[in-house]
Amino acid sequence: EAQVTQNPRYLITVTGKKLTVTCSQNMNHEYMSWYRQDPGLGLRQIYYSMNVEVTDKGDVPEGYKVSRKEKRNFPLILESPSPNQTSLYFCASGRPLGGRVNTGELFFGEGSRLTVL
Amino acid sequence: AQKITQTQPGMFVQEKEAVTLDCTYDTSDQSYGLFWYKQPSSGEMIFLIYQGSYDEQNATEGRYSLNFQKARKSANLVISASQLGDSAMYFCAMREDISNFGNEKLTFGTGTRLTIIP
Repeated sequence: EAQVTQNPRYLITVTGKKLTVTCSQNMNHEYMSWYRQDPGLGLRQIYYSMNVEVTDKGDVPEGYKVSRKEKRNFPLILESPSPNQTSLYFCASGRPLGGRVNTGELFFGEGSRLTVL
Repeated sequence: AQKITQTQPGMFVQEKEAVTLDCTYDTSDQSYGLFWYKQPSSGEMIFLIYQGSYDEQNATEGRYSLNFQKARKSANLVISASQLGDSAMYFCAMREDISNFGNEKLTFGTGTRLTIIP
C-alpha cells in the first residue's frame, strides 16, 4: 500500500529536549516536504527536498533541521524545541512537476501533533 | 503579498446545493500546479483535484471541478450536489518551479471551513 508514515503521531516534550520526527515513504518519490499547521495560518512549509542530499528552506525553517540521506526518509529535527513549535506537523511526498506527467498529487502522512511545554 | 488567498474563512451551505470555494494565487512562474485538499475533522489531508498551468481544460474529479481562470489567477473549487460528508476544511495550494531547474516551492492558503446543513 502506498503511504507516507510519520512517527510519533503524538508527542509531549519539554523546552530544549532534542527530538526527531521521522517520515518515510514507499513510493520512490523524489519530492518530500514538511509543513506545520496552526489555526488561522493554514499549512506552512518548513523544509523541502527535491532528491537525496538536496534540501531547501521553506517559509518557516527557523528552529528546524532536516536531512535526506536516503530517498525514502526525510526526518525533521528540532534541536532545541520551544513552546512556539507546538503544532501539527505533516510530511508529504510526490513526484516533481517538471515532467508534467503526473497529477501533482502530494501524499500526506497522518500528521504528528507536537506539544512543547 | 500572499501567494495563495482564500477569502472565505467559513461557509454554510444547504445539502444538495452546489458550492464554490474561492482561491486566488500569485506567481510569476510559467510552470506551476494548483490543487485542493480536504481536511476532515479527523485531521488527514485528502487530495481532491489538480490543475497544471499548461492544462487548457478545467480539471474534474467526480463531483469536484476546478474553475481555472489563468488571466485572473484564480482556481476556484466547485462541489456539485453537496453532501453532509463534505463538511471539512478545504485548502487551496500551489506548487511552483521557482528556479526553472525543478526546484519547487509549495504554498497553502489559510483554508475555508465548509459546513453542510441538512
